[in-house]
Amino acid sequence: DAGVTQSPTHLIKTRGQQVTLRCSPKSGHDTVSWYQQALGQGPQFIFQYYEEEERQRGNFPDRFSGHQFPNYSSELNVNALLLGDSALYLCASSEAGFEFYNEQFFGPGTRLTVL
Amino acid sequence: DQQVKQNSPSLSVQEGRISILNCDYTNSMFDYFLWYKKYPAEGPTFLISISSIKDKNEDGRFTVFLNKSAKHLSLHIVPSQPGDSAVYFCAAISIQGGSEKLVFGKGTKLTVNP
Repeated sequence: DAGVTQSPTHLIKTRGQQVTLRCSPKSGHDTVSWYQQALGQGPQFIFQYYEEEERQRGNFPDRFSGHQFPNYSSELNVNALLLGDSALYLCASSEAGFEFYNEQFFGPGTRLTVL
Repeated sequence: DQQVKQNSPSLSVQEGRISILNCDYTNSMFDYFLWYKKYPAEGPTFLISISSIKDKNEDGRFTVFLNKSAKHLSLHIVPSQPGDSAVYFCAAISIQGGSEKLVFGKGTKLTVNP
């Protein structure tokens, strides 16, 4: 089992550009969450996808959008990049559970640098 | 407004001694509390969790204590080992409408000296 995988590992963009980050969940998982971890901070919840729909969203602007595919993999898109978007972007997968907490497994992250 | 706070950015302990990492929270609606460990260049790894209806959960060398009245939890590692050196994140989760949103603290960097 490969666990949660993310690509690319590192990315350098300039202000105003657009970026797409990708995530493949752990085998058997159908729910994907995205987090942004700025330097010296804890991960911050961006949004969560289940059944190809955005199920919940954190306090992030509409420049951040996502998608989940039928195979449960997911993409995070960020438009009109700002310097402040530089961070480690983490993807986490879990099994859907409406009554119980289900452990989220994290990928290694994509390090985005905006110049 | 930070709902989960880890006020100690770093902690250094000797191998074999106890490590105590602390966490405070403000939202009484949290259902579960979790601790994650993170090594450089890796994603956070789940360590241990506790339900809001319990006050203690133990797993090997790791024990988490929850004091709901004080809105405080702590992670005890006994005995500490050099391999425990990592950043530890306290996180909380509120299960609303079927979605599970983790709220993290800023982390505490633990260094265990041989």
